[in-house]
Amino acid sequence: GDSVTQMEGPVTLSEEAFLTINCTYTATGYPSLFWYVQYPGEGLQLLLKATKADDKGSNKGFEATYRKETTSFHLEKGSVQVSDSAVYFCALRYNQGGKLIFGQGTELSVKP
Amino acid sequence: DAGVIQSPRHEVTEMGQEVTLRCKPISGHNSLFWYRQTMMRGLELLIYFNNNVPIDDSGMPEDRFSAKMPNASFSTLKIQPSEPRDSAVYFCASISLGGTGELFFGEGSRLTVL
Repeated sequence: GDSVTQMEGPVTLSEEAFLTINCTYTATGYPSLFWYVQYPGEGLQLLLKATKADDKGSNKGFEATYRKETTSFHLEKGSVQVSDSAVYFCALRYNQGGKLIFGQGTELSVKP
Repeated sequence: DAGVIQSPRHEVTEMGQEVTLRCKPISGHNSLFWYRQTMMRGLELLIYFNNNVPIDDSGMPEDRFSAKMPNASFSTLKIQPSEPRDSAVYFCASISLGGTGELFFGEGSRLTVL
């Protein structure tokens, strides 16, 4: 079945370091891909998305490119801040009426 | 605009008691999801509804769990009887079937079963 796999956390970085969180997916079709972020004590919120191959989603300095050939959607940011500390979830979804399938989440901790 | 509203935010109960969690989706959204989050199992989809109709309940753990959506503005998730292993944060989320594909989450209901 369809699934999403993320790199294990927690990831601990110093402020201004470069961030990569790996995400790969298994899908029978061509889903849309998403990154959601969960700050402590809150629900998840959409960070960025890409709806087709080679699309790049971006928001708040974060980027991810939909790579069909490697079935990946890695999240990157050039310079992280303490305020980026959160749990990041990669997800896929086929259509407007379908369910969102999440990876297990990757906790990011950024130290000053 | 009000987001997805869940209640209660926190619930502590004893094993064997009935628990009812409530959700009000964003007005105009016609698809609603219930998720459960634990440290051990991560984020699990329990059930989702399109236009108030349950579409996929394969994630509901067992018969002790039930969910209803009597109208477009209200849904409940009930656990009867509750067990300590049900302790988790339960999230409700909604989306417009004709929208951008962004799922909007509530702030969650943290359930502790003693």
